[in-house]
Amino acid sequence: QKEVEQNSGPLSVPEGAIASLNCTYSDRGSQSFFWYRQYSGKSPELIMFIYSNGDKEDGRFTAQLNKASQYVSLLIRDSQPSDSATYLCAVNLSPRAGGTSYGKLTFGQGTILTVHP
Amino acid sequence: DVKVTQSSRYLVKRTGEKVFLECVQDMDHENMFWYRQDPGLGLRLIYFSYDVKMKEKGDIPEGYSVSREKKERFSLILESASTNQTSMYLCASSPTQGSGNTIYFGEGSWLTVV
Repeated sequence: QKEVEQNSGPLSVPEGAIASLNCTYSDRGSQSFFWYRQYSGKSPELIMFIYSNGDKEDGRFTAQLNKASQYVSLLIRDSQPSDSATYLCAVNLSPRAGGTSYGKLTFGQGTILTVHP
Repeated sequence: DVKVTQSSRYLVKRTGEKVFLECVQDMDHENMFWYRQDPGLGLRLIYFSYDVKMKEKGDIPEGYSVSREKKERFSLILESASTNQTSMYLCASSPTQGSGNTIYFGEGSWLTVV
């Protein structure tokens, strides 16, 4: 089992719809969770991060975390063509015993989202 | 804003050459990272550093080394470039505390080994 898995894409939604991106992780001790957006040929840019169970909203974006199910998702409301990109889920896995994670993130393979007019 | 600068954006090198990729961050972050990104394989961690002169191997360190002589600068070295090292290389930095350990990426260095 991969440490961080994202739903296979590509995902295509019409403009104005809600896009739902999902991610599961294997390490139950993981503490923090991140969503990055990456446009073609560009580097990843942070959308938002979440620590606590429940929802966290930032504009049109909502991150949802369920630690019991080891599941994190990103909802994009009122999707726009400019949201078309690859979305990367990243997890700060818990360190080995006695160690520290030093902020290392493990990334999923990404989900390609296309928003069509 | 956090700025992570990768000095070389596009490089073409020959097999067997020694390659240096330089990265500088301006936010006094303790942690710095080198990832490579390949289609179908996602982002994979090569090396990271949590302090000056300190380094740890990531998931795919073979064929690479790193240097961190100053806090703001982290270099990736390909001792003898090979064609399977053709990739996009991403440098990143993060604070040990604050911002949730958020990683900030540079713009990437596209390396082609011929």
